[in-house]
Amino acid sequence: QVQLVESGGGVVQPGRSLRLSCAASGFSFSSYGIHWVRQAPGKGLEWVTVITHDGSKKYYADSVKGRFTISRDNSKNTLYLQMNSLRAEDTAVYYCWGSSSESPFDIWGQGTMVTVSS
Amino acid sequence: DVVMTQSPLSLPVTLGQPASISCRSSQSLVYSDGNTYLNWFQQRPGQSPRRLIYKVSNRDSGVPDRFSGSGSGTDFTLRISRVEAEDVGVYYCMQATHWPPWTFGQGTKVEIK
Repeated sequence: QVQLVESGGGVVQPGRSLRLSCAASGFSFSSYGIHWVRQAPGKGLEWVTVITHDGSKKYYADSVKGRFTISRDNSKNTLYLQMNSLRAEDTAVYYCWGSSSESPFDIWGQGTMVTVSS
Repeated sequence: DVVMTQSPLSLPVTLGQPASISCRSSQSLVYSDGNTYLNWFQQRPGQSPRRLIYKVSNRDSGVPDRFSGSGSGTDFTLRISRVEAEDVGVYYCMQATHWPPWTFGQGTKVEIK
């Protein structure tokens, strides 16, 4: 079964850290760039970061640059998001998302909720 | 950054009737390779998003043919030929031409009248 499964969300105080994981199965994980996209409660979708298939390139939204780090371990078919210096405005459901721009391949995880609150 | 603007933001529709959502970008989405990387996503209530359309008009696997995408340059449209109950949700356009960042529209909420 082709799937992405996120984990690691929870409630954290402002200024603290959290690491999200996204486990892939059923497809060639190492062939695809993977994104993190978030959705604040009742709001729209916001792109956060992406990593290329081999981990050589990473790009970040300005809102998280310098605080979040994306990484992947292709031997474990797993994507990570290290989130430091968390703020209230980082509160959201975080989705991992893999797709091809050139073919009908698109897969989303079920999302994991991150709540930043004192 | 490319700004994506959708209209309308709310779309009440009658079952069996057509529906149309517009998406405009702040600059042309034609990439240097000649392709236009404009996607459409559907998010049903309580579910993760899923992509419906890629490169303006290409349907993803399993997407019913009542969904179609069209447009060019800066103006794009998602059409549903006959709305069904399962089409209720929020629809987003997203550009993947000028990155980073990848940018989404605000979303259009489709509901049944």
